[in-house]
Amino acid sequence: DAGITQSPRHKVTETGTPVTLRCHQTENHRYMYWYRQDPGHGLRLIHYSYGVKDTDKGEVSDGYSVSRSKTEDFLLTLESATSSQTSVYFCAIRFDLSSGNTIYFGEGSWLTVV
Amino acid sequence: DAKTTQPNSMESNEEEPVHLPCNHSTISGTDYIHWYRQLPSQGPEYVIHGLTSNVNNRMASLAIAEDRKSSTLILHRATLRDAAVYYCILISGNTGKLIFGQGTTLQVKP
Repeated sequence: DAGITQSPRHKVTETGTPVTLRCHQTENHRYMYWYRQDPGHGLRLIHYSYGVKDTDKGEVSDGYSVSRSKTEDFLLTLESATSSQTSVYFCAIRFDLSSGNTIYFGEGSWLTVV
Repeated sequence: DAKTTQPNSMESNEEEPVHLPCNHSTISGTDYIHWYRQLPSQGPEYVIHGLTSNVNNRMASLAIAEDRKSSTLILHRATLRDAAVYYCILISGNTGKLIFGQGTTLQVKP
């Protein structure tokens, strides 16, 4: 158990509404990631964080923002949800070098924008 | 960031060994070679990782070429539950951004 949880696990929302997904870790790892996964596209990096208040963009960051005000939480926000953001969202944490920089993923958050 | 190249798909028969290749010709000296797999409707899970030497664990073995420009994930006896997408990725302590490729979809036939 890598101590990573995502919430909510499932959500249906309407186009134009804001949505926030939360990723929580219990072990103070520095790196945290948000990916989305769609059929035929594999895992695509949205944003990542390398410390409190330190974040950077990934491959598909348009329409998304993130915040990390404390080590344990990494929030992904869709300011105004669109149908193209219907997807499965995975959070991940990266362990340190002593563990070979191993990545552990959360169980996913299924988001449907109608 | 160093990239990896994997075949899109592979097939295997149940209870036979499977060798999943990965090319990473631009690997740097500090990059660890990692393998993850993803079962349907689940998040990716860690399989194995290595730096220079071959590695074994309860799930699989990792064979790393001497020049480290390629590696092979070995499943010794494939089961139907091993049908998944397998991702090979390089992870460096100096790199924050982690990009996954398309991975190899493994089909296991009974």
